[in-house]
Amino acid sequence: NAGVTQTPKFRILKIGQSMTLQCTQDMNHNYMYWYRQDPGMGLKLIYYSVGAGITDKGEVPNGYNVSRSTTEDFPLRLELAAPSQTSVYFCASSPRTSGGSPLHFGNGTRLTVT
Amino acid sequence: AQSVSQHNHHVILSEAASLELGCNYSYGGTVNLFWYVQYPGQHLQLLLKYFSGDPLVKGIKGFEAEFIKSKFSFNLRKPSVQWSDTAEYFCAVRGAGSYQLTFGKGTKLSVIP
Repeated sequence: NAGVTQTPKFRILKIGQSMTLQCTQDMNHNYMYWYRQDPGMGLKLIYYSVGAGITDKGEVPNGYNVSRSTTEDFPLRLELAAPSQTSVYFCASSPRTSGGSPLHFGNGTRLTVT
Repeated sequence: AQSVSQHNHHVILSEAASLELGCNYSYGGTVNLFWYVQYPGQHLQLLLKYFSGDPLVKGIKGFEAEFIKSKFSFNLRKPSVQWSDTAEYFCAVRGAGSYQLTFGKGTKLSVIP
Protein backbone atom coordinates (compact mmCIF):
# COMPACT_ATOMS: atom_id res chain seq x y z
CA ASN A 1 0.00 0.00 0.00
CA ALA A 2 1.23 3.48 -0.85
CA GLY A 3 -0.95 5.06 1.85
CA VAL A 4 -1.82 8.72 1.27
CA THR A 5 -0.18 10.27 -1.78
CA GLN A 6 -0.07 14.01 -2.40
CA THR A 7 1.05 15.84 -5.51
CA PRO A 8 2.82 18.10 -6.19
CA LYS A 9 5.41 18.30 -3.41
CA PHE A 10 6.23 21.94 -4.12
CA ARG A 11 4.52 24.70 -6.08
CA ILE A 12 4.96 28.41 -6.57
CA LEU A 13 1.90 30.36 -7.68
CA LYS A 14 1.39 33.96 -8.63
CA ILE A 15 -1.38 35.92 -6.96
CA GLY A 16 -4.70 35.21 -8.66
CA GLN A 17 -3.66 31.93 -10.24
CA SER A 18 -5.54 28.73 -9.53
CA MET A 19 -4.40 25.20 -8.89
CA THR A 20 -5.52 21.84 -7.58
CA LEU A 21 -3.67 19.90 -4.92
CA GLN A 22 -4.14 16.21 -5.50
CA CYS A 23 -4.65 13.61 -2.78
CA THR A 24 -5.32 9.92 -3.20
CA GLN A 25 -5.38 7.03 -0.74
CA ASP A 26 -5.39 3.30 -1.39
CA MET A 27 -6.53 2.12 2.04
CA ASN A 28 -10.27 2.31 1.30
CA HIS A 29 -10.72 4.87 4.06
CA ASN A 30 -14.05 6.64 4.29
CA TYR A 31 -12.81 9.79 5.99
CA MET A 32 -10.46 12.26 4.34
CA TYR A 33 -9.17 15.62 5.48
CA TRP A 34 -7.23 18.65 4.30
CA TYR A 35 -5.13 20.57 6.80
CA ARG A 36 -2.83 23.52 6.42
CA GLN A 37 0.21 23.96 8.64
CA ASP A 38 1.71 27.35 9.37
CA PRO A 39 4.74 27.90 11.65
CA GLY A 40 3.77 28.10 15.30
CA MET A 41 0.08 27.61 14.52
CA GLY A 42 -0.25 23.83 14.37
CA LEU A 43 -2.60 22.28 11.86
CA LYS A 44 -5.88 23.88 10.88
CA LEU A 45 -8.65 21.85 9.24
CA ILE A 46 -9.74 23.23 5.88
CA TYR A 47 -12.27 20.68 4.65
CA TYR A 48 -13.16 17.10 5.36
CA SER A 49 -15.21 14.33 3.81
CA VAL A 50 -16.99 11.39 5.43
CA GLY A 51 -17.47 9.52 2.17
CA ALA A 52 -17.81 9.85 -1.58
CA GLY A 53 -20.12 12.73 -2.45
CA ILE A 54 -20.08 14.23 1.05
CA THR A 55 -17.87 17.14 2.08
CA ASP A 56 -17.99 19.72 4.84
CA LYS A 57 -16.14 22.83 5.94
CA GLY A 58 -13.55 22.79 8.65
CA GLU A 59 -12.08 25.67 10.60
CA VAL A 60 -10.51 27.66 7.71
CA PRO A 61 -12.38 26.91 4.45
CA ASN A 62 -12.36 30.37 2.84
CA GLY A 63 -10.55 30.47 -0.49
CA TYR A 64 -10.69 26.70 -0.99
CA ASN A 65 -12.99 24.13 -2.52
CA VAL A 66 -13.05 20.34 -2.49
CA SER A 67 -14.82 17.47 -4.15
CA ARG A 68 -15.05 13.76 -3.38
CA SER A 69 -16.26 11.86 -6.41
CA THR A 70 -14.55 8.62 -5.39
CA THR A 71 -13.47 7.02 -2.13
CA GLU A 72 -9.82 7.28 -3.17
CA ASP A 73 -9.50 10.91 -4.27
CA PHE A 74 -9.98 14.18 -2.41
CA PRO A 75 -8.57 17.13 -4.40
CA LEU A 76 -8.27 20.62 -2.92
CA ARG A 77 -8.85 23.56 -5.25
CA LEU A 78 -7.51 27.09 -4.86
CA GLU A 79 -9.37 29.39 -7.24
CA LEU A 80 -7.69 32.77 -6.73
CA ALA A 81 -4.42 32.28 -4.92
CA ALA A 82 -3.50 34.84 -2.26
CA PRO A 83 -0.27 35.30 -0.25
CA SER A 84 -2.20 34.22 2.89
CA GLN A 85 -2.48 30.77 1.33
CA THR A 86 1.26 30.25 1.45
CA SER A 87 1.49 27.19 3.67
CA VAL A 88 2.20 23.49 3.84
CA TYR A 89 -0.88 21.44 3.03
CA PHE A 90 -1.44 17.95 4.38
CA CYS A 91 -4.03 15.48 3.28
CA ALA A 92 -5.03 12.73 5.70
CA SER A 93 -7.38 9.77 5.83
CA SER A 94 -8.95 7.54 8.47
CA PRO A 95 -11.05 4.37 8.29
CA ARG A 96 -13.46 5.65 10.94
CA THR A 97 -13.65 8.20 13.71
CA SER A 98 -14.56 5.85 16.54
CA GLY A 99 -12.29 3.74 18.73
CA GLY A 100 -9.36 6.09 18.61
CA SER A 101 -8.73 5.57 14.92
CA PRO A 102 -5.79 7.83 13.99
CA LEU A 103 -5.25 9.86 10.85
CA HIS A 104 -2.78 8.73 8.22
CA PHE A 105 -1.00 11.70 6.65
CA GLY A 106 0.48 12.31 3.24
CA ASN A 107 3.90 13.89 2.80
CA GLY A 108 2.54 17.37 2.24
CA THR A 109 2.55 20.03 -0.46
CA ARG A 110 4.55 23.19 0.14
CA LEU A 111 2.81 26.07 -1.60
CA THR A 112 4.19 29.58 -2.02
CA VAL A 113 2.03 32.39 -3.40
CA THR A 114 3.90 35.49 -4.54
CA ALA B 1 -16.20 23.01 20.36
CA GLN B 2 -13.04 21.11 21.13
CA SER B 3 -9.66 22.78 21.55
CA VAL B 4 -6.13 21.87 22.56
CA SER B 5 -3.48 23.85 24.39
CA GLN B 6 0.19 22.91 24.43
CA HIS B 7 2.12 24.67 27.14
CA ASN B 8 5.56 24.96 25.63
CA HIS B 9 6.51 26.37 22.27
CA HIS B 10 10.14 25.23 22.30
CA VAL B 11 11.91 22.87 24.69
CA ILE B 12 15.68 22.38 24.67
CA LEU B 13 17.15 19.36 26.47
CA SER B 14 20.46 17.56 26.68
CA GLU B 15 20.63 13.92 25.72
CA ALA B 16 19.53 11.55 28.54
CA ALA B 17 17.37 14.23 30.16
CA SER B 18 13.78 13.41 30.96
CA LEU B 19 10.98 14.93 28.93
CA GLU B 20 7.47 16.02 29.76
CA LEU B 21 5.36 17.99 27.29
CA GLY B 22 2.11 19.42 28.52
CA CYS B 23 -1.22 19.14 26.75
CA ASN B 24 -4.63 20.28 27.95
CA TYR B 25 -7.84 19.95 26.04
CA SER B 26 -11.26 21.46 26.21
CA TYR B 27 -14.28 19.25 25.55
CA GLY B 28 -17.26 18.34 27.69
CA GLY B 29 -17.59 14.66 26.86
CA THR B 30 -15.72 11.52 25.96
CA VAL B 31 -12.55 12.13 23.97
CA ASN B 32 -9.95 10.36 21.89
CA LEU B 33 -6.47 11.80 22.43
CA PHE B 34 -3.37 11.56 20.27
CA TRP B 35 0.25 12.59 20.16
CA TYR B 36 1.87 12.97 16.76
CA VAL B 37 5.51 13.65 15.93
CA GLN B 38 6.84 15.52 12.92
CA TYR B 39 10.53 15.12 12.10
CA PRO B 40 12.09 17.95 10.09
CA GLY B 41 10.75 18.01 6.56
CA GLN B 42 8.42 15.08 7.10
CA HIS B 43 4.72 14.45 7.64
CA LEU B 44 3.05 13.75 10.96
CA GLN B 45 3.38 10.27 12.41
CA LEU B 46 1.37 8.78 15.25
CA LEU B 47 3.29 8.36 18.53
CA LEU B 48 0.48 7.08 20.69
CA LYS B 49 -3.23 7.36 21.33
CA TYR B 50 -5.80 7.02 24.06
CA PHE B 51 -9.43 6.11 23.50
CA SER B 52 -10.44 4.05 26.54
CA GLY B 53 -9.13 1.83 29.33
CA ASP B 54 -5.78 2.28 31.05
CA PRO B 55 -5.05 6.01 31.24
CA LEU B 56 -1.31 5.37 30.95
CA VAL B 57 -0.60 4.78 27.30
CA LYS B 58 2.67 3.54 25.87
CA GLY B 59 3.72 4.42 22.35
CA ILE B 60 6.61 3.97 20.01
CA LYS B 61 10.24 4.89 20.71
CA GLY B 62 9.82 4.78 24.51
CA PHE B 63 7.22 7.53 24.72
CA GLU B 64 4.24 7.36 27.05
CA ALA B 65 1.36 9.63 27.98
CA GLU B 66 -1.04 9.80 30.88
CA PHE B 67 -4.68 10.80 30.51
CA ILE B 68 -5.91 12.62 33.62
CA LYS B 69 -9.60 13.21 33.10
CA SER B 70 -10.04 15.50 36.10
CA LYS B 71 -7.35 17.81 34.76
CA PHE B 72 -8.30 17.52 31.07
CA SER B 73 -4.67 16.68 30.43
CA PHE B 74 -2.70 14.26 28.29
CA ASN B 75 0.98 14.93 28.93
CA LEU B 76 3.69 13.21 26.94
CA ARG B 77 6.73 11.77 28.72
CA LYS B 78 9.99 10.04 27.96
CA PRO B 79 12.51 9.08 30.66
CA SER B 80 15.63 9.69 28.58
CA VAL B 81 15.66 11.62 25.30
CA GLN B 82 18.00 11.05 22.38
CA TRP B 83 19.28 13.42 19.72
CA SER B 84 17.03 11.60 17.25
CA ASP B 85 13.96 12.77 19.21
CA THR B 86 14.53 16.28 17.87
CA ALA B 87 11.20 17.05 16.21
CA GLU B 88 7.93 18.89 16.65
CA TYR B 89 5.26 17.23 18.78
CA PHE B 90 1.55 17.78 18.39
CA CYS B 91 -1.23 16.88 20.76
CA ALA B 92 -4.67 16.33 19.22
CA VAL B 93 -8.20 15.69 20.45
CA ARG B 94 -11.35 14.32 18.90
CA GLY B 95 -14.61 14.45 20.80
CA ALA B 96 -16.81 11.39 20.69
CA GLY B 97 -19.11 11.61 17.71
CA SER B 98 -16.99 14.28 16.03
CA TYR B 99 -15.39 13.82 12.63
CA GLN B 100 -12.76 16.44 13.30
CA LEU B 101 -9.35 16.01 14.87
CA THR B 102 -8.20 19.27 16.46
CA PHE B 103 -4.48 19.90 16.90
CA GLY B 104 -2.53 22.00 19.34
CA LYS B 105 0.03 24.50 18.06
CA GLY B 106 2.88 22.08 18.62
CA THR B 107 6.00 21.95 20.78
CA LYS B 108 9.38 21.97 19.12
CA LEU B 109 11.89 19.74 20.93
CA SER B 110 15.60 20.24 20.39
CA VAL B 111 17.92 17.65 21.93
CA ILE B 112 21.55 18.66 22.28
CA PRO B 113 24.11 15.85 22.01
